[in-house]
Amino acid sequence: DTAVSQTPKYLVTQMGNDKSIKCEQNLGHDTMYWYKQDSKKFLKIMFSYNNKELIINETVPNRFSPKSPDKAHLNLHINSLELGDSAVYFCASSQAGGLLEEAFFGQGTRLTVV
Amino acid sequence: DQQVKQNSPSLSVQEGRISILNCDYTNSMFDYFLWYKKYPAEGPTFLISISSIKDKNEDGRFTVFLNKSAKHLSLHIVPSQPGDSAVYFCAASLGGSQGNLIFGKGTKLSVKP
Repeated sequence: DTAVSQTPKYLVTQMGNDKSIKCEQNLGHDTMYWYKQDSKKFLKIMFSYNNKELIINETVPNRFSPKSPDKAHLNLHINSLELGDSAVYFCASSQAGGLLEEAFFGQGTRLTVV
Repeated sequence: DQQVKQNSPSLSVQEGRISILNCDYTNSMFDYFLWYKKYPAEGPTFLISISSIKDKNEDGRFTVFLNKSAKHLSLHIVPSQPGDSAVYFCAASLGGSQGNLIFGKGTKLSVKP
């Protein structure tokens, strides 16, 4: 009965490949996020998506594209993977206009690019 | 540019004693602060928060102190328990309790029995 679930949990892939990470939330939230925790352990927001409005972090390369088939899902597509994309990616959700305390995170996807 | 800094990557404390985790920030416009706890292979979970209009917030064994003039906040856990062993992230927001989160690098707390 996981609130925010991500798949896969681990992903190992070669440079240049295209991969996707899926995220689903069953909380009825209408805002979802993707965060990246890099090798220096910083946890940084990449995108937030509220219904049809996508807010993009300017530091995110355009090889990264979030796609939301419905408000319960926000998938992360990454094209032409690079070594520097290796990180743990966290999905999160919250209610629009809701409190930060009520944002829930998924368990993370550890992406390793070789 | 690290707007939220947790300068201690790790902290080891004896069970029953006080754990003090520190966090410094550079942006004086931050108006809301949160602490998250993260176990291995899990996502961060919310622990406690404080608004910039307050200097202290307490919830059971957890107390967060905010010193705005020093741009410093700390999380006190007393008494510490082995189950508290986790990575603790400090986070700040520019939009009150509804803004986007800016996280520190985390401090790994180990509570020894």
